[in-house]
Amino acid sequence: SQQGEEDPQALSIQEGENATMNCSYKTSINNLQWYRQNSGRGLVHLILIRSNEREKHSGRLRVTLDTSKKSSSLLITASRAADTASYFCATDRPYSGNTGKLIFGQGTTLQVKP
Amino acid sequence: EPEVTQTPSHQVTQMGQEVILRCVPISNHLYFYWYRQILGQKVEFLVSFYNNEISEKSEIFDDQFSVERPDGSNFTLKIRSTKLEDSAMYFCASSEWGQDTEAFFGQGTRLTVV
Repeated sequence: SQQGEEDPQALSIQEGENATMNCSYKTSINNLQWYRQNSGRGLVHLILIRSNEREKHSGRLRVTLDTSKKSSSLLITASRAADTASYFCATDRPYSGNTGKLIFGQGTTLQVKP
Repeated sequence: EPEVTQTPSHQVTQMGQEVILRCVPISNHLYFYWYRQILGQKVEFLVSFYNNEISEKSEIFDDQFSVERPDGSNFTLKIRSTKLEDSAMYFCASSEWGQDTEAFFGQGTRLTVV
């Protein structure tokens, strides 16, 4: 089964607008993490939100988590051209023997036009 | 800021050859991971490593793969006899405590098997 599916798959906005990306998952989680990947580059950790948290902020990023709906959203406010990247959610599930394995979604490709 | 470093950034190898991908995790982290991302696909977990042994591995991580921590700082992924389908970006990651902690990724090694 798929875990951590983002939508939309692609998003194009103008600089200064807000960008919202959503992630859905199917099983219970310890936490959900968001990552950014610039084209062909590494994964940059953005934020971790635990299952008992509902919202977290980091600079222009706001992440929400709704465990009843098994979904999370990443909001980037006042977007900049430099925010152009792919954004992935990744879930860490609670199970015996789990050592922090993350399951990634397909990602949302964000393009911010100057 | 501490970071995970990977070498080389790009490796081209002939089918059937052995390759070793190298990583230096963040120094106070205890859990280490390898993930891979085939072009255009999602990031997939390969293996986690803790206390000098494999703690979890995926179905992808078959007998042609092995990991090692040869000294106090390096963490390596060996692919014994590469296949065309091993072409991918390979990411090393580390986390302080494993489950329910942030995982930090390196910039990746792009492996091309020809």
